[in-house]
Amino acid sequence: DSGVTQTPKHLITATGQRVTLRCSPRSGDLSVYWYQQSLDQGLQFLIQYYNGEERAKGNILERFSAQQFPDLHSELNLSSLELGDSALYFCASSSPTSVNTGELFFGEGSRLTVL
Amino acid sequence: EDQVTQSPEALRLQEGESSSLNCSYTVSGLRGLFWYRQDPGKGPEFLFTLYSAGEEKEKERLKATLTKKESFLHITAPKPEDSATYLCAVRMDSNYQLIWGAGTKLIIKP
Repeated sequence: DSGVTQTPKHLITATGQRVTLRCSPRSGDLSVYWYQQSLDQGLQFLIQYYNGEERAKGNILERFSAQQFPDLHSELNLSSLELGDSALYFCASSSPTSVNTGELFFGEGSRLTVL
Repeated sequence: EDQVTQSPEALRLQEGESSSLNCSYTVSGLRGLFWYRQDPGKGPEFLFTLYSAGEEKEKERLKATLTKKESFLHITAPKPEDSATYLCAVRMDSNYQLIWGAGTKLIIKP
């Protein structure tokens, strides 16, 4: 158990809809990362937050947004969903110590299926 | 273009049959190379960090090595519980975020 909690584990929705994925980082970790993993592309970095502030942005679509709240949990909002958004969405967290060694702690992911 | 390529895509071995997985990278200013293990339905789990050519790290039946252009993950006398997808990632000077390879799916048959 990594200590990172993601909900929901599975989500099935229709094109055009909007969903919210939630992540609670490990206790004490200030950084939260969101990744998308699809079969043909591997892990793609979406966005990072550190203590409530956006720290880095990757290949995140304009239809997607995220935020980190004062209690450090984070939410990833996906809107106007398309079939191609079907993927596993992972949240990871790190501490100032672990990030230097490249050690990210991943949750078990949220599997999104868009029909 | 900065890139991380893992090979083979999949590898099937008999229990006890040693082999190596490859991670090659074309990035400028490597700040670290990282190996992770991912079990089906789970998030990746950290294994090793390598920083400079010639460095080696070991954990149980796994040994990771690094050269200037690639890293190898050697698995010695593997067991069925070593079956997983092994992911490689790199961090560059110019970008603190990790760039990930697509992974090698390792299957160890008893």
